[in-house]
Amino acid sequence: KQEVTQIPAALSVPEGENLVLNCSFTDSAIYNLQWFRQDPGKGLTSLLLIQSSQREQTSGRLNASLDKSSGRSTLYIAASQPGDSATYLCAGANNNNDMRFGAGTRLTVKP
Amino acid sequence: DAGITQSPRYKITETGRQVTLMCHQTWSHSYMFWYRQDLGHGLRLIYYSAAADITDKGEVPDGYVVSRSKTENFPLTLESATRSQTSVYFCASSEAAGGSGNEQFFGPGTRLTVL
Repeated sequence: KQEVTQIPAALSVPEGENLVLNCSFTDSAIYNLQWFRQDPGKGLTSLLLIQSSQREQTSGRLNASLDKSSGRSTLYIAASQPGDSATYLCAGANNNNDMRFGAGTRLTVKP
Repeated sequence: DAGITQSPRYKITETGRQVTLMCHQTWSHSYMFWYRQDLGHGLRLIYYSAAADITDKGEVPDGYVVSRSKTENFPLTLESATRSQTSVYFCASSEAAGGSGNEQFFGPGTRLTVL
């Protein structure tokens, strides 16, 4: 059973700062890892998906990495903006059907 | 509009009543999923479906029933609602064809309160 942990639970940074969000998982036989953004009272928006054969994925100011041997994934956000404020969730899947989520990191970017 | 929709968005019901939450997707994705999100537990998988007429249990299936007669619809039924089923319910879908097809896309959620 895959278990996913995200630390810290909350993070506050000034606008413009580059930042890294952390995600740890217990089973290195991970099939894929997905990062999501969730705004208060809203659904989840998919940000990046990394397959087990990949080391990283990039989309705009976002870069996600995957290190199966250490059981870690990171989401790097460059030049943070107040609009980036949200809760970021990572989820690891060991097959197509069983995706396990972390509790999330609540990010606040101060103007 | 294309995408994944859920209805109702908000629902209040009483203990013991039957409630059905609807999920509809327009992408013709093979896989559909139901999750619940609770403080302290995060998101947990209730049921999933690999195709029409194929469903299977997730992590927390007790007290729930699903069906999938059409590819685009995946209703979730609480046969006899309990207070512990008060939660936000999310539906998701994916192509699950391998590679990037495993990416899951989520609906806006249904906030259910059981009194």
